[in-house]
Amino acid sequence: KNEVEQSPQNLTAQEGEFITINCSYSVGISALHWLQQHPGGGIVSLFMLSSGKKKHGRLIATINIQEKHSSLHITASHPRDSAVYICAVPPRGTGNQFYFGTGTSLTVIP
Amino acid sequence: DGGITQSPKYLFRKEGQNVTLSCEQNLNHDAMYWYRQDPGQGLRLIYYSQIVNDFQKGDIAEGYSVSREKKESFPLTVTSAQKNPTAFYLCASSRAGIRTDTQYFGPGTRLTVL
Repeated sequence: KNEVEQSPQNLTAQEGEFITINCSYSVGISALHWLQQHPGGGIVSLFMLSSGKKKHGRLIATINIQEKHSSLHITASHPRDSAVYICAVPPRGTGNQFYFGTGTSLTVIP
Repeated sequence: DGGITQSPKYLFRKEGQNVTLSCEQNLNHDAMYWYRQDPGQGLRLIYYSQIVNDFQKGDIAEGYSVSREKKESFPLTVTSAQKNPTAFYLCASSRAGIRTDTQYFGPGTRLTVL
């Protein structure tokens, strides 16, 4: 049983397309993180959010705490957006356990 | 430049040997973490440390050991007791407890057991 589920697992898009990656979780949380892992393996944090919506450039993240669901949107996708996107949740009240999704591998074709 | 460094980037080990992976940060972060990543699986927590001279086991600590003698350093030793050590290892740090702050990741070390 995975506490964090992401969909789709793999996604191929044409440059310029609007992209949505979904994350559903089953545990109570204080915040949700979206991470980006580049082909070389390095990971950067994109967003941490606990409610509503956050926007950074062409990236938008939303969360619905009641429905235990978050989405990451990429507008006007570009080949440099090709990466693995990972959803992660630090559950409330369980010490320092951090649950990670298995990631969504995005490829944007020129 | 502030950040986290891991070395080496690639590491090869013979079965039965212990190996130590380095993780250094100059972000003045209190908390540091070690994760393991395998293909098709999410990151799994090996060990974490909230403060110098203190650390706790994560989900998959068996076969691993750590130390936290300095705030900026959190080395991970993969011992011969780890049955399947071939994986990608990531170190991370954050300002506060894991629930409240963004984590900053190092570039990773890819360990291969021959």
